[in-house]
Amino acid sequence: EVQLVESGGGLVQPGRSLRLSCAASGFAFHDHALHWVRQAPGKGLEWVSSISWNSGSIGYADSVKGRFTISRDNAKNSLSLEMNSLRSDDTALYYCAKGPGMAVAKISTFDYWGQGTLVTVSS
Amino acid sequence: QSALTQPPSASGSPGQSVTISCTGTNSDVGTYDSVSWYQHHPGKAPKLMIFGVSQRPSGVPDRFSGSKSGNTASLTVSGLQAEDEADYYCSSYAGINNRVLFGGGTKLTVL
Repeated sequence: EVQLVESGGGLVQPGRSLRLSCAASGFAFHDHALHWVRQAPGKGLEWVSSISWNSGSIGYADSVKGRFTISRDNAKNSLSLEMNSLRSDDTALYYCAKGPGMAVAKISTFDYWGQGTLVTVSS
Repeated sequence: QSALTQPPSASGSPGQSVTISCTGTNSDVGTYDSVSWYQHHPGKAPKLMIFGVSQRPSGVPDRFSGSKSGNTASLTVSGLQAEDEADYYCSSYAGINNRVLFGGGTKLTVL
């Protein structure tokens, strides 16, 4: 059974940093692209970032580019999102999601999702 | 880039069919056959319902179908059931820098 478990969320002040993690199991982690998607309170889904199976291809939403860094450790079946210079509009439930294949190009399919971890940016 | 455009709400009675549209541009929906649809019940993880415009993952009822014409994709739910009541989101690959766009979401109500 595919499982994606996010952690690392919490309350953080504007301008500070936070690191989210996603522990994966139940599939061949190294064979799949991974993604972060967020949902602000009362809002819709927003794609944040994607990383290919070997970290060779990465993408970021304009809203987080230059502040967030996605990474993965295939030896530990782990995905991370380093978030710097946090702003109030980064407040959201952050989901880790799995892609059906290795690549991120020409793909907008997220076939399994975690339950999310809540990030609140407030002073 | 702006989000894809979906109607905020849709509704239908049990047994009826409803279609939700998802409008993008010729830089995303119109160019790539990568449209996906997700069902999201509040408090739960989103669930993939359609990928590659019209393909259904294993386990998704064939009451759910997808299509695309030009810059607009559509999700049709036939034989509406109470458990279909949820938020539905479309997504599309958007080219440059491996970007993905989501629609704003459509709240489907089963009357």
